[in-house]
Amino acid sequence: GAGVSQSPSNKVTEKGKDVELRCDPISGHTALYWYRQSLGQGLEFLIYFQGNSAPDKSGLPSDRFSAERTGGSVSTLTIQRTQQEDSAVYLCASSLEVQGAMPQHFGDGTRLSIL
Amino acid sequence: DAKTTQPPSMDCAEGRAANLPCNHSTISGNEYVYWYRQIHSQGPQYIIHGLKNNETNEMASLIITEDRKSSTLILPHATLRDTAVYYCIVRASGSARQLTFGSGTQLTVLP
Repeated sequence: GAGVSQSPSNKVTEKGKDVELRCDPISGHTALYWYRQSLGQGLEFLIYFQGNSAPDKSGLPSDRFSAERTGGSVSTLTIQRTQQEDSAVYLCASSLEVQGAMPQHFGDGTRLSIL
Repeated sequence: DAKTTQPPSMDCAEGRAANLPCNHSTISGNEYVYWYRQIHSQGPQYIIHGLKNNETNEMASLIITEDRKSSTLILPHATLRDTAVYYCIVRASGSARQLTFGSGTQLTVLP
């Protein structure tokens, strides 16, 4: 597709379960970002990938969170042993490059609800 | 990144131009002005960006003052679907990778 695609769009799961969220960036975009947004709040940076460089994981809130990007394209964000405070909208964005004026383009996110 | 100031809310009549202001008085020479918007239940949407010159694309126009201390996003013919929170961001080329949104302007387009 033309834009960033995220799946699933909604995910409801029980506390303690693991979840996987998927992001398909725009074709050719080398940079990929994960953010989360709680209700009525701003963006919280989680992790970013740029080409073959080591990812910047500085925003991951705990070791229950991990992400990978295979083949420089699709990315998966995994949350293990989910907690209720993990409930949020998880947003993925991609851009052509990190430096320069290239804007980030966002998907519509995965709305995660932990019961 | 330079701090930006936006009015918390604005109304606009459908079909009229919506002019959204942003102050960024501490902007540096290598910092760009970006505009995004977020419609309820959707991800942020990139609108336009510029450095010094005015810019126009299919969505909007960006007018940057000569001293670059403020800018205006113009939606030439607002529709109900333009109702959203609009964010003005100032970022340097090669700056911190992650985006940080302020509180933005809630634009409500009225029928």
